[in-house]
Amino acid sequence: SQQGEEDPQALSIQEGENATMNCSYKTSINNLQWYRQNSGRGLVHLILIRSNEREKHSGRLRVTLDTSKKSSSLLITASRAADTASYFCATDEGGSYIPTFGRGTSLIVHP
Amino acid sequence: EPEVTQTPSHQVTQMGQEVILRCVPISNHLYFYWYRQILGQKVEFLVSFYNNEISEKSEIFDDQFSVERPDGSNFTLKIRSTKLEDSAMYFCASSEGGLLNEQFFGPGTRLTVL
Repeated sequence: SQQGEEDPQALSIQEGENATMNCSYKTSINNLQWYRQNSGRGLVHLILIRSNEREKHSGRLRVTLDTSKKSSSLLITASRAADTASYFCATDEGGSYIPTFGRGTSLIVHP
Repeated sequence: EPEVTQTPSHQVTQMGQEVILRCVPISNHLYFYWYRQILGQKVEFLVSFYNNEISEKSEIFDDQFSVERPDGSNFTLKIRSTKLEDSAMYFCASSEGGLLNEQFFGPGTRLTVL
């Protein structure tokens, strides 16, 4: 089974709209992290949310975590063309703490 | 703002050759990591390193791989005898705390094995 799978795989929106990406996982976690990756570049850490937290904010980003549904969402409000990137969630698998990344959501924001 | 740096940005090598990828983590970080991303695929954890020893490693990190912190600033990944399937982006990361904490990634080294 795959840990940390994002959906949708691709998302295309207009500048100013909100973008919502989801991540589902299968086993219990200690934390869940969201990353951004611009094409051909390194990963940029966005938000870490721990298993006992339900919501975190950072600027235009809002992350929620529902451990009962084993899912998380990343909301980007008032999107900008510069938000165009791939977004990944990474979860650890219980006691191992090793992060497992999903395949990511490719977000395109049209100016 | 401090950042993780990696060199080289692109490495081309012949199959069977040894390569060393270099990373300079953020100076006050104590935990160091290597990940790889094969083109079009997921980012995969390779290894974590703390207090001069490996703390976690994945199944990918077999005897062909080794890591070292040769001095107070560099953190290296060595692949002893490269295979075609080692072609990937290799990312170094570091964090203040362990795997449960925010990791800062470098820009990556693109390894091409011919």
